[in-house]
Amino acid sequence: KNQVEQSPQSLIILEGKNCTLQCNYTVSPFSNLRWYKQDTGRGPVSLTIMTFSENTKSNGRYTATLDADTKQSSLHITASQLSDSASYICVVSARAGNNRKLIWGLGTSLAVNP
Amino acid sequence: ETGVTQTPRHLVMGMTNKKSLKCEQHLGHNAMYWYKQSAKKPLELMFVYNFKEQTENNSVPSRFSPECPNSSHLFLHLHTLQPEDSALYLCASSRVGGPEAFFGQGTRLTVV
Repeated sequence: KNQVEQSPQSLIILEGKNCTLQCNYTVSPFSNLRWYKQDTGRGPVSLTIMTFSENTKSNGRYTATLDADTKQSSLHITASQLSDSASYICVVSARAGNNRKLIWGLGTSLAVNP
Repeated sequence: ETGVTQTPRHLVMGMTNKKSLKCEQHLGHNAMYWYKQSAKKPLELMFVYNFKEQTENNSVPSRFSPECPNSSHLFLHLHTLQPEDSALYLCASSRVGGPEAFFGQGTRLTVV
């Protein structure tokens, strides 16, 4: 069964600290993995998209890693800011013939406190 | 802003009402999507339109009726909804087969 699991479910950190969010998936055949940031009451915004051959990808203070062998990904946030408070969702795309099916995780709710 | 605009942002409706959600994209995309996001659940894909034609309907109840008059506009017509239909409804667009979808801000729907 195609599934995406994220941990932790929620996280509270102090401003300026780093944190790492985890995503484990059992999706096959794998096409790509995406991390989205979703502010409360708003739509998700893409942070990174990673394909099978990519191990690390950075977008400013966000760095995503992918281990296609163990089917794990992480999102590392450096020097957190109050505006980083949001839900971070891992999404894995599965190939289905000529189509792709997106498997969404439940997200990690991050709160950055001053 | 992502180039995908949804209206209204908030909607409260009774179970006997009829209302419509609107989505417009200014990105030149040719695929549009409706998603439902409920508390403590992953995003659920409802409908997919490619080049104005519906290509996917994920067993959505008939009280939700989508309409796509052109590649830039998408509507979701609502009638006789249930309280459990209360959720954040998200519209997205992309190039057909493209790797990335851009989302609107969503419509927070409350059915009373």
